[in-house]
Amino acid sequence: DTAVSQTPKYLVTQMGNDKSIKCEQNLGHDTMYWYKQDSKKFLKIMFSYNNKELIINETVPNRFSPKSPDKAHLNLHINSLELGDSAVYFCASSGGWDSYEQYFGPGTRLTVT
Amino acid sequence: SQKIEQNSEALNIQEGKTATLTCNYTNYSPAYLQWYRQDPGRGPVFLLLIRENEKEKRKERLKVTFDTTLKQSLFHITASQPADSATYLCALDRMDSSYKLIFGSGTRLLVRP
Repeated sequence: DTAVSQTPKYLVTQMGNDKSIKCEQNLGHDTMYWYKQDSKKFLKIMFSYNNKELIINETVPNRFSPKSPDKAHLNLHINSLELGDSAVYFCASSGGWDSYEQYFGPGTRLTVT
Repeated sequence: SQKIEQNSEALNIQEGKTATLTCNYTNYSPAYLQWYRQDPGRGPVFLLLIRENEKEKRKERLKVTFDTTLKQSLFHITASQPADSATYLCALDRMDSSYKLIFGSGTRLLVRP
């Protein structure tokens, strides 16, 4: 059973389009995250939710909007895609208080043309 | 601002030897430090977490040390195998939140048979 899953694995789209990436975890964790990994392989946190509430919102363009329908799901919606949005996006989860290790999904490679 | 440095050059070693990877950080005293493994096209996988009051932690062939005076962590893989070839990421918690991680850019390890 996959602990943290993301769909789709690959996403190729044109500038200006709107797209969504879905994430689900079956670990029973309270906290979920979205990360962006650029071409230089730096992983940077974008958002975090704890029990469906937004707790981390980094300096990310407001074209990016996370949504957490329940604590097992955290989706990422991106409006008006730009070339610079091309990257690999990872979803992750952690167990919460005093449990800081994070479990990552397989990633979604977004290519904007 | 907090900064993490990992050797950007790949580490190339012979099978059976001990691999030692370095993570240096500045401008902060983290409560804990983590090591992850990332294979191409996959999400990072948690390996070990070491807290500020711990000097060393072991898990099977892995050993992590944490020197808060030097602001450095060393990650060792003993009796290395070609299957250990991957990129290893160091991460530490951010001063504004224990749930936020700052990742280094990683060091690629190549183990020759």
